[in-house]
Amino acid sequence: KQEVTQIPAALSVPEGENLVLNCSFTDSAIYNLQWFRQDPGKGLTSLLLIQSSQREQTSGRLNASLDKSSGRSTLYIAASQPGDSATYLCAVTAGGFKTIFGAGTRLFVKA
Amino acid sequence: DTGVSQDPRHKITKRGQNVTFRCDPISEHNRLYWYRQTLGQGPEFLTYFQNEAQLEKSRLLSDRFSAERPKGSFSTLEIQRTEQGDSAMYLCASSSELYEQYFGPGTRLTVT
Repeated sequence: KQEVTQIPAALSVPEGENLVLNCSFTDSAIYNLQWFRQDPGKGLTSLLLIQSSQREQTSGRLNASLDKSSGRSTLYIAASQPGDSATYLCAVTAGGFKTIFGAGTRLFVKA
Repeated sequence: DTGVSQDPRHKITKRGQNVTFRCDPISEHNRLYWYRQTLGQGPEFLTYFQNEAQLEKSRLLSDRFSAERPKGSFSTLEIQRTEQGDSAMYLCASSSELYEQYFGPGTRLTVT
């Protein structure tokens, strides 16, 4: 049974700091891994999708890596801004298209 | 706006009543997903459609839950005989063959 864990559960950093969010999964037989952000009371916004054959993806100040063999992914946020404050979720999808989410990391960036 | 839409955005119902939610995916997406999210948790997978076929269904989806996607376009999620434990945010997502999922704003259900 696939389980997804995100560490830390919460993080508070000063504006401008670079930070790393971690995601681990128990079954390496995944189809892809996707990172999302969620603002309070809202739906999810897709940030980055990494296919199982890829090692990383970049979008602006965001970089996500994937190491299937160790069951880990990291989301790197450069030069954090107060507008980055949100909950960040990672999700893995296996061949049956059942998608499993972690509980998320709540990020607060202080101005 | 060509994103995923959900209706209604909020629903308050009394225990024992039936409720139905609608999801309209991005028009060119043939894959559609339903999730349930409670406070402080990540979304929980409920079911998956490819076109009109329901190909995956979580064991969490009891007999009181049913989902349809007639004609492979919009989808409905019905909850019969609602219970207080059904109170949650119900999220819908869609994707193309590239599998990147795009989410709607969700329907917040409160069962009193």
